Amino acid sequence: NAGVMQNPRHLVRRRGQEARLRCSPMKGHSHVYWYRQLPEEGLKFMVYLQKENIIDESGMPKERFSAEFPKEGPSILRIQQVVRGDSAAYFCASSQRRTGGSTDTQYFGPGTRLTVL
Amino acid sequence: TQLLEQSPQFLSIQEGENLTVYCNSSSVFSSLQWYRQEPGEGPVLLVTVVTGGEVKKLKRLTFQFGDARKDSSLHITAAQPGDTGLYLCAGSYSSASKIIFGSGTRLSIRP
Repeated sequence: NAGVMQNPRHLVRRRGQEARLRCSPMKGHSHVYWYRQLPEEGLKFMVYLQKENIIDESGMPKERFSAEFPKEGPSILRIQQVVRGDSAAYFCASSQRRTGGSTDTQYFGPGTRLTVL
Repeated sequence: TQLLEQSPQFLSIQEGENLTVYCNSSSVFSSLQWYRQEPGEGPVLLVTVVTGGEVKKLKRLTFQFGDARKDSSLHITAAQPGDTGLYLCAGSYSSASKIIFGSGTRLSIRP
């Protein structure tokens, strides 16, 4: 897990509250990816961002979810008005260059485990 | 639609035995990765295979990419309790940035 930082590691929210998940990519990496993992399942792609730009958000739910990667600071995955079904582990990965076809690697953070009560 | 099917989903074997995990798809991938994930942690990359027919070895682990770049296998020789974990295969397309993950194989090695 090569230097990708995520916080908090665990987050508990009540239904209707907002959840903010942070991801600091590895040094020198300008590409960030967010994935969601439900128990006993693989990871599902949510969104791919470069600095200040959303490149691919095809895996993001249409409502309540948003992501940003500002010029300065970490990438943020924001979930508004959380529901019980949002409970999952959310992983961030970063890469130096765009992956997909290249052999550049996505390095994963330790994840944030969100529990919605 | 699950684009990457892994089998078996669960595998429990005795220490010292050999095993093979399979990853199959109807899609052609430009590259395929194998990750291992420990409880409470993120996936850690084990290997990337790019060329059809490619075989890579990592100590007791042997990874193979199918000739048509649609499937892959992971073979572990003389399994040890430290091999216990969730093994995930993941494929990349040249036209996309995201990685498509399989549902994983949960491996348990009994001492």
